[in-house]
Amino acid sequence: EDQVTQSPEALRLQEGESSSLNCSYTVSGLRGLFWYRQDPGKGPEFLFTLYSAGEEKEKERLKATLTKKESFLHITAPKPEDSATYLCAVQAGGGYQKVTFGTGTKLQVIP
Amino acid sequence: EADIYQTPRYLVIGTGKKITLECSQTMGHDKMYWYQQDPGMELHLIHYSYGVNSTEKGDLSSESTVSRIRTEHFPLTLESARPSHTSQYLCASSESGSQPQHFGDGTRLSIL
Repeated sequence: EDQVTQSPEALRLQEGESSSLNCSYTVSGLRGLFWYRQDPGKGPEFLFTLYSAGEEKEKERLKATLTKKESFLHITAPKPEDSATYLCAVQAGGGYQKVTFGTGTKLQVIP
Repeated sequence: EADIYQTPRYLVIGTGKKITLECSQTMGHDKMYWYQQDPGMELHLIHYSYGVNSTEKGDLSSESTVSRIRTEHFPLTLESARPSHTSQYLCASSESGSQPQHFGDGTRLSIL
């Protein structure tokens, strides 16, 4: 069964304090790994797709990396507006191409 | 920027009522999905559609039904609402199965 585990569950950072969020996964034939940002009362907002080990994607203060077993979302010099829940999801191969979501990391950045 | 809309945003209603949650997208995506999300929990797929007249049940058992008569519209219906249906319902669409899903802002449903 496909599984996604995100850690930590919650993270509190001072503004400017860089850190990383972890997404460990087991999936039968990874087709893609997705990172989303979710603000309270809103739907998830797509950030990145990673397809193969060694791939990296960047957007502003965020950088996502992928290995065969886990992905990291690195946050460099975060600002209070980066506060949100960050979700990781994996898509399996096969006909159904099921997407399995993790429970997320709730990030709070304090001014 | 994804354009996917859900209405209503919030709904508080009594037990036994019939409810339809609306979801529309303007991107022409063939694939659409309904998820249920409770606080602090992962998203659970309850229905999906790969195109017009195609609907399937997801992993999470649900008493709801869906229809896909038009590409842009994917409503979810509860024939008789119960307190156990209280949750947030998220609709999503994607261009293809391997492309990221784009989400609406959800309907927060409370059944009294």
